[in-house]
Amino acid sequence: GQNIDQPTEMTATEGAIVQINCTYQTSGFNGLFWYQQHAGEAPTFLSYNVLDGLEEKGRFSSFLSRSKGYSYLLLKELQMKDSASYLCAVINSNYQLIWGAGTKLIIKP
Amino acid sequence: TAGITQAPTSQILAAGRSMTLRCTQDMRHNAMYWYRQDLGLGLRLIHYSNTAGTTGKGEVPDGYSVSRANTDDFPLTLASAVPSQTSVYFCASSGSQGSTDTQYFGPGTRLTVL
Repeated sequence: GQNIDQPTEMTATEGAIVQINCTYQTSGFNGLFWYQQHAGEAPTFLSYNVLDGLEEKGRFSSFLSRSKGYSYLLLKELQMKDSASYLCAVINSNYQLIWGAGTKLIIKP
Repeated sequence: TAGITQAPTSQILAAGRSMTLRCTQDMRHNAMYWYRQDLGLGLRLIHYSNTAGTTGKGEVPDGYSVSRANTDDFPLTLASAVPSQTSVYFCASSGSQGSTDTQYFGPGTRLTVL
């Protein structure tokens, strides 16, 4: 079967750094997405990785290791508005998008 | 631009009744999708459409039907609702299906079936 694993919930402090991990087992790989979803709202695109390494975009960075089936999203200088769920999704060899259940991130002052 | 709109925002429906969830996009995207999102589960694909005039089944298509008469609209119909269809429904679109194009989501419809 195909599977995406993420922690269910994480807590971090305002101003700190947090790393949200995602591991995947899919039939092939054509890229990995991270989305942000605030409570009661739609998912919004954060990043896309298809090659190994780190992609930096402001306070957010995303890392991919295809050989390990592993990605992480790194959030720096956390703000209260970063409280949200973060969804990891993988495109498999059939170009189907397989979604993880998401990680709820709670930011405390 | 509006992007993707969905209607209604929320609905309470009696079991056995039918309902159509509406979705419209103004980005001229070829591909459109319907997902349901339930607590503790990832987004699950119900149906998709590669282009106007074509539709396909996703992971959880039973009890749902779709049509794609034109590029902009992709309605989802529940012919006879059951309580297990209580969920949040998201419509999404992308440039093309079967690619690495980013999917963009509508605001969602929260449906409760009693």
